[in-house]
Amino acid sequence: EVVLTQSPATLSLSPGERATLSCRASQNIKNYLAWYQQKPGQAPSLIIYDASNRATGIPARFSGSGSGTDFTLTISSLEPEDFAVYYCQQRSSWPLTFGGGTKVEIK
Amino acid sequence: QVELQESGPGLVKASRTLSLTCTVSGDSISSGFYYWTWIRQPPGKGLEWIGYVYHGGTTNYNTSLKSRLTISADASNNQFSLYLSSVTEADTAVYFCARVATTIEWGRGILVTVSS
Repeated sequence: EVVLTQSPATLSLSPGERATLSCRASQNIKNYLAWYQQKPGQAPSLIIYDASNRATGIPARFSGSGSGTDFTLTISSLEPEDFAVYYCQQRSSWPLTFGGGTKVEIK
Repeated sequence: QVELQESGPGLVKASRTLSLTCTVSGDSISSGFYYWTWIRQPPGKGLEWIGYVYHGGTTNYNTSLKSRLTISADASNNQFSLYLSSVTEADTAVYFCARVATTIEWGRGILVTVSS
């Protein structure tokens, strides 16, 4: 199965700062990677699909890049509502797998 | 827009069978395009894919759960269900049902606690 490793585990930043989250796959998954945001008590919510496509209604401050084994989610300027946990997920092969998550917290 | 709603007991005794149902609206589980999936999340931890049922009843299960797991579909009621036998406290989690293709559409989730 494809193992996804996210780093860092926690990112402590202030509103207005830039956030850079990493996801590394154990094998080539082409661009079959999505990013989800999860807030406490809620289901994950889609941010980016197929590595670089913003989901409907997602603001332009969110961007995704990468292919193969290395992927990045960038939030250009953090808004208060962006502090949450972010998961990457691959659909290149079954089983679907998720990274361990990066928590973006207020510094 | 598809909506998925999990239902079932929130408390299950250890060694018993956990049973959950997902009711789907806004799409047909017989449509043949999506994988009707269960995913779980233990408290404070990450996400784990459990398995899916596909058009025609084809299933695929997480190998770590396969010996205890059944996922089935009821097209007449547009529902699919999860049955996990011989549960332990390690099976305590929020269980999400989901529609999977390019992306994942999630239900709200249901917390199931396994008590000893």
